[in-house]
Amino acid sequence: GQQVMQIPQYQHVQEGEDFTTYCNSSTTLSNIQWYKQRPGGHPVFLIQLVKSGEVKKQKRLTFQFGEAKKNSSLHITATQTTDVGTYFCAANYGGSQGNLIFGKGTKLSVKP
Amino acid sequence: NAGVTQTPKFQVLKTGQSMTLQCAQDMNHNSMYWYRQDPGMGLRLIYYSASEGTTDKGEVPNGYNVSRLNKREFSLRLESAAPSQTSVYFCASSVQAGSFSGANVLTFGAGSRLTVL
Repeated sequence: GQQVMQIPQYQHVQEGEDFTTYCNSSTTLSNIQWYKQRPGGHPVFLIQLVKSGEVKKQKRLTFQFGEAKKNSSLHITATQTTDVGTYFCAANYGGSQGNLIFGKGTKLSVKP
Repeated sequence: NAGVTQTPKFQVLKTGQSMTLQCAQDMNHNSMYWYRQDPGMGLRLIYYSASEGTTDKGEVPNGYNVSRLNKREFSLRLESAAPSQTSVYFCASSVQAGSFSGANVLTFGAGSRLTVL
């Protein structure tokens, strides 16, 4: 079946440093979503990217969708302790059901 | 507005016991899903229901059954629990499954932590 690779699995940063997580697919995606899960919590939707080369920003978070629609990234500028959690990409390969395939997530820890 | 409500939040079972996880959403969403989350494995789809009256297998359906009771409710049943089913289970819903922009965004419940001894 379809798979989406997400790296790194873990990232430890000092507060104020930047953070990036990447998702890669071997086949073209219809769209991609990003979710954040706080420790002990449930995944919460952050954003959806649909167009080739799309870039969206939410305050310190920048999301990109590759030109070939096979990869995506989430970049956090100047991390804060509130950014702690696991970030998941969810790839949509299209089709009538269009089920989302989740990456395994990147667990971010931030040292104050 | 409660969103997606799951019960129970915690459950301990013995091998071979059965149980049902309940899920209800009040957002008038058409599609509902059950995922399991294991350390290092991300979220894996067990079953989904694209619309009332339909259910389909996801990536890891073995050992589970589902019922879409009505538009609001989607239950997950373990007929004979096994230790391999120890996991955190999340129910989710979306306006509509498929690639329609925005319509397949998932709203998750708080999760049900299941331990099978």
